[in-house]
Amino acid sequence: DGGITQSPKYLFRKEGQNVTLSCEQNLNHDAMYWYRQDPGQGLRLIYYSQIVNDFQKGDIAEGYSVSREKKESFPLTVTSAQKNPTAFYLCATARQILGDEQYFGPGTRLTVT
Amino acid sequence: DAKTTQPPSMDCAEGRAANLPCNHSTISGNEYVYWYRQIHSQGPQYIIHGLKNNETNEMASLIITEDRKSSTLILPHATLRDTAVYYCIVRPRVSGSARQLTFGSGTQLTVLP
Repeated sequence: DGGITQSPKYLFRKEGQNVTLSCEQNLNHDAMYWYRQDPGQGLRLIYYSQIVNDFQKGDIAEGYSVSREKKESFPLTVTSAQKNPTAFYLCATARQILGDEQYFGPGTRLTVT
Repeated sequence: DAKTTQPPSMDCAEGRAANLPCNHSTISGNEYVYWYRQIHSQGPQYIIHGLKNNETNEMASLIITEDRKSSTLILPHATLRDTAVYYCIVRPRVSGSARQLTFGSGTQLTVLP
């Protein structure tokens, strides 16, 4: 946090609905990331972007989509194709993609029933 | 990234120094040692990183052994708010790759009143 905003903190959706998670940053960082964290587990990379209008799939991109139209914003859409969408979603930024330390937002806890 | 080994849990009395060890015996010359922590239900927080020299910032000190095979994170005056899982990560700072963060199991630090 401290310059990275994720909203909302808690989100509830019915199965079959698409949902978009917001991530905004005012750190002027080039790189942005979306991770998923399941209970008691580590982070898994969904998508990342190192520049506006460019993004790359991470390890578990299926069922998710992103856009990077502005440097400050990197929204994540969880589609109905994602089989197990209930999780804690974390957005992170870094000055550059080359391995700089990453700064995380507070996270959004998504529950799909 | 080099593998790291951390104790699963540690306790520390409030106000005392917390010393969290990490073994990374397979570290290579271009790999840095990073420390992050995650307080329950929050996003991870970057703490500090170093290559071979000891480092200090407002949060902590990082002591890296001369052979670079192990390191210690020191929280000089632990408070109850320092209770978290602490992750030691070894990774290079090189261009051309996403360099996602991979968290191991970390050390659960509990600061006791």
